[in-house]
Amino acid sequence: AQSVTQPDIHITVSEGASLELRCNYSYGATPYLFWYVQSPGQGLQLLLKYFSGDTLVQGIKGFEAEFKRSQSSFNLRKPSVHWSDAAEYFCAVLPDNMLTFGGGTRLMVKP
Amino acid sequence: IAGITQAPTSQILAAGRRMTLRCTQDMRHNAMYWYRQDLGLGLRLIHYSNTAGTTGKGEVPDGYSVSRANTDDFPLTLASAVPSQTSVYFCASSKVAGTGETQYFGPGTRLLVL
Repeated sequence: AQSVTQPDIHITVSEGASLELRCNYSYGATPYLFWYVQSPGQGLQLLLKYFSGDTLVQGIKGFEAEFKRSQSSFNLRKPSVHWSDAAEYFCAVLPDNMLTFGGGTRLMVKP
Repeated sequence: IAGITQAPTSQILAAGRRMTLRCTQDMRHNAMYWYRQDLGLGLRLIHYSNTAGTTGKGEVPDGYSVSRANTDDFPLTLASAVPSQTSVYFCASSKVAGTGETQYFGPGTRLLVL
């Protein structure tokens, strides 16, 4: 069965610093890959998705993610974090009909 | 355009009681989904519907039932609530199922079962 691992439960970065959130998946083929963000008390919002083609994907709010087949990874990055980026981030894979989520990484931003 | 609405926003429920969580979308999406979110576990799929009139079981379907009488509505019913069903429940929809279509999420229902 497919699975998604987000190794970091919490990450704290300073405002203006760069950010990388890790995501590894387990699946026989290349699934569709997603990153969602959840602000406190809100639903999930799609940041970006990868289906095929260019392995570096641009998303909203200045985020990007890179698909690395050899590492089964789809890490999320942002060059300069803003205080409003504090939220929980979920990586997800869609190999068939069922979107499977990682456990999430909570991002805190220090002033 | 509202997107996806869920009701109620939150609820405290006595164990053994029946409860229906409502979900309505106005995007004419064919596929709809119910997830529960628990700390450290991310979101897990409870049930889904690829199109009106059809439903399927997700990863954690036990204790829940759904129906899809029309395109817009996808209610989730807990026939006899138990404390382990305390969670945040999210409804989602996508244009079609199984093709990598983006899923859009509602604001969630916070349920506490005592």
